[in-house]
Amino acid sequence: SQTIHQWPATLVQPVGSPLSLECTVEGTSNPNLYWYRQAAGRGLQLLFYSVGIGQISSEVPQNLSASRPQDRQFILSSKKLLLSDSGFYLCAWGVAGANVLTFGAGSRLTVL
Amino acid sequence: KNQVEQSPQSLIILEGKNCTLQCNYTVSPFSNLRWYKQDTGRGPVSLTIMTFSENTKSNGRYTATLDADTKQSSLHITASQLSDSASYICVVSAYGNNRLAFGKGNQVVVIP
Repeated sequence: SQTIHQWPATLVQPVGSPLSLECTVEGTSNPNLYWYRQAAGRGLQLLFYSVGIGQISSEVPQNLSASRPQDRQFILSSKKLLLSDSGFYLCAWGVAGANVLTFGAGSRLTVL
Repeated sequence: KNQVEQSPQSLIILEGKNCTLQCNYTVSPFSNLRWYKQDTGRGPVSLTIMTFSENTKSNGRYTATLDADTKQSSLHITASQLSDSASYICVVSAYGNNRLAFGKGNQVVVIP
């Protein structure tokens, strides 16, 4: 069966520090991978999605970047965090063409 | 304007009572609609998925309906339990598109 792992679960970082959130998927090959951000009282906002190694599509201009160094690994990064980067980040995977997502447990980022 | 609108935004119900959550969408061409349950601080977990030809689908005490003509879906919770307290998110997918349209969620609080 397929599983998705996302870490760290919680993170408190000072403004200007770097960020790295990691997501890995097991039990499937060539998944579509996604990073979402969820703000309180708002819907999920798609940040990045990837259909293959090294293929990253960015949905909104921002202080963040994503990378897919391996087929089942998706990393969300920032060189210098802003206060506005605080939020709940969700990684998800889906089968290409099926548009059905399975989400990770989420990462709570607080930037102070 | 959001392509997926959910109502009510929040709901408080007594344990043991039933409730119905609504989802209206404008996504086209329609592929599938999924209801997710998201516990506080956790990732969304899929409850049901419905395609164009399906009108009703159940998962335990959760029953989803779909009217593709009026572009409406509902999620009915029967005999609510305290563990049903969560946000319920409606997600709609369009054909030929990697993007999903998310509702902002229905926040349900079940009280004893």
